[in-house]
Amino acid sequence: LAKTTQPISMDSYEGQEVNITCSHNNIATNDYITWYQQFPSQGPRFIIQGYKTKVTNEVASLFIPADRKSSTLSLPRVSLSDTAVYYCLVGDMNSGYSTLTFGKGTMLLVSP
Amino acid sequence: GAVVSQHPSWVICKSGTSVKIECRSLDFQATTMFWYRQFPKQSLMLMATSNEGSKATYEQGVEKDKFLINHASLTLSTLTVTSAHPEDSSFYICSARDGTSSYNEQFFGPGTRLTVL
Repeated sequence: LAKTTQPISMDSYEGQEVNITCSHNNIATNDYITWYQQFPSQGPRFIIQGYKTKVTNEVASLFIPADRKSSTLSLPRVSLSDTAVYYCLVGDMNSGYSTLTFGKGTMLLVSP
Repeated sequence: GAVVSQHPSWVICKSGTSVKIECRSLDFQATTMFWYRQFPKQSLMLMATSNEGSKATYEQGVEKDKFLINHASLTLSTLTVTSAHPEDSSFYICSARDGTSSYNEQFFGPGTRLTVL
């Protein structure tokens, strides 16, 4: 299983763009990159997933360079409610036997 | 979207008693369900993987006789914490994989807070 490394914490202010980078140097060919958000005392919530280049949805963008050894989650114009822990995971989305390994995550604190 | 529920959302029990936590996939068939445990300010740790109709696979260090997992149907998995002790107090989260999908996406439940007195 590919190991991921993220910053332990990040601080931001409302309205700013936040970029959280995740390193996954030994990502395998079949691995996808998935980001989850978790609020205290709640289960993780899916944010975005990608394999290469750029993926965008209504809440975030995911940038993946050509070598796929890292990825960056971009949250545009964060609000106080975006304060949460963000987890980057890599895994084989096409394998029914693949499990997810959560790293320590990044605690994002958004201040007024 | 795929929804996973857990019941109860929180439970307080006395030391030595057993507690059962249910995990249900509400709008899809979950051939595989996962159970995680999360201690305060820590990440999720996978406890076990259960496949419908077969025995669960436990991660290293997780006592299978203490954490009984039953996945009797495609929409329900249960985790029973037997003879609970204060050190078992934690946030237990389940996730489910859609058996009809070729992708490995997991949908997470809201979690169950267990407090053992």
